Amino acid sequence: GAGVSQSPSNKVTEKGKDVELRCDPISGHTALYWYRQRLGQGLEFLIYFQGNSAPDKSGLPSDRFSAERTGESVSTLTIQRTQQEDSAVYLCASSLVSQGVEQYFGPGTRLTVT
Amino acid sequence: AQSVTQPDIHITVSEGASLELRCNYSYGATPYLFWYVQSPGQGLQLLLKYFSGDTLVQGIKGFEAEFKRSQSSFNLRKPSVHWSDAAEYFCAVGGTSYDKVIFGPGTSLSVIP
Repeated sequence: GAGVSQSPSNKVTEKGKDVELRCDPISGHTALYWYRQRLGQGLEFLIYFQGNSAPDKSGLPSDRFSAERTGESVSTLTIQRTQQEDSAVYLCASSLVSQGVEQYFGPGTRLTVT
Repeated sequence: AQSVTQPDIHITVSEGASLELRCNYSYGATPYLFWYVQSPGQGLQLLLKYFSGDTLVQGIKGFEAEFKRSQSSFNLRKPSVHWSDAAEYFCAVGGTSYDKVIFGPGTSLSVIP
């Protein structure tokens, strides 16, 4: 079946512009995560959606970052007024629930802020 | 709060040698533990996971990991490393409630022919 998909695969934007990154999780997966991975670094947790519960936004680095999820489907991560330090690969993952079930990762969106 | 540490940022081993990657976690309840691998230019792939039961778990590609509650560790091992094992390895911890999964900083593995 289809895996997690993300779009666009690459995004180059100018400093100060807003960007929207999209994640399509595996159908039926109730949990959805966003992570940021800077070059040569580990995965930095950003936000976590679980079913209809309030999202865990504790990893969002600033109020320029926000994310939404429509039901148990598509999620968008929005970065407003992008800065050069926002350049990274943004990874999305989904799982059936968070209780010890493995996450399935998308290929990521590589964001470059010039 | 959950946390994961991987003390070794980078490890280099010779092909055919044994490997152990360290992972320590902090979690207030019974954790779920994972090891993922990220090969150059590739996405993350699950190597193995621990939920309960036997503390020695087997994974794909000949990897295994041992959960030691007393040491809060979940070290990854492989008896004989292949050149294709060169990659970034991430340890992760999740909880029995609806907690988020947190990843460690990763260990980069280089394999010398």
